[in-house]
Amino acid sequence: DAKTTQPNSMESNEEEPVHLPCNHSTISGTDYIHWYRQLPSQGPEYVIHGLTSNVNNRMASLAIAEDRKSSTLILHRATLRDAAVYYCILRDGNNDMRFGAGTRLTVKP
Amino acid sequence: DTEVTQTPKHLVMGMTNKKSLKCEQHMGHRAMYWYKQKAKKPPELMFVYSYEKLSINESVPSRFSPECPNSSLLNLHLHALQPEDSALYLCASSQGLQETNEKLFFGSGTQLSVL
Repeated sequence: DAKTTQPNSMESNEEEPVHLPCNHSTISGTDYIHWYRQLPSQGPEYVIHGLTSNVNNRMASLAIAEDRKSSTLILHRATLRDAAVYYCILRDGNNDMRFGAGTRLTVKP
Repeated sequence: DTEVTQTPKHLVMGMTNKKSLKCEQHMGHRAMYWYKQKAKKPPELMFVYSYEKLSINESVPSRFSPECPNSSLLNLHLHALQPEDSALYLCASSQGLQETNEKLFFGSGTQLSVL
């Protein structure tokens, strides 16, 4: 199984950018990198995904290293509502979706 | 409608009870998932259904019995559970299992307590 490694926790100040790193050194060529987040008392929600190129959407940006062994989720201006656990997940050829430990993001006012 | 609806939101049951969790989606998705999540832990995959057929069973004990009566509905039947089965049970759906770039839509979960 492809695996990911993320820091347990990170802190950010409100309205500042946040860079959430993820290492996935065993990624294979067809694995997509997905990011989900889970707000308190809710189910996970999709944030963004990518394969090789950097991706942007209304929620965040995803920067993927050239060798694809790591990626970074970028929240351009953190708000208090962005406080959540962020999961970096590789979707492999078996199409299952298994969560790693994730990063708990705290946003300070 | 991009919602996955789970009922009930909360459930308390005894170890001898039989109960069911229900999950519904009307997005035309053909893949549906059950996850179990203990407090402060990530969700753990339990079952995956694709086109109403069970495609993944993560060696889940038989006291958990999934059922997919149609493409919109997913049930999880519970029988003779243990207190350690107390957790948040999450349902998710995706368009299908054909592509690794598909995203999952999750419900808010059923918080289960086994006494």
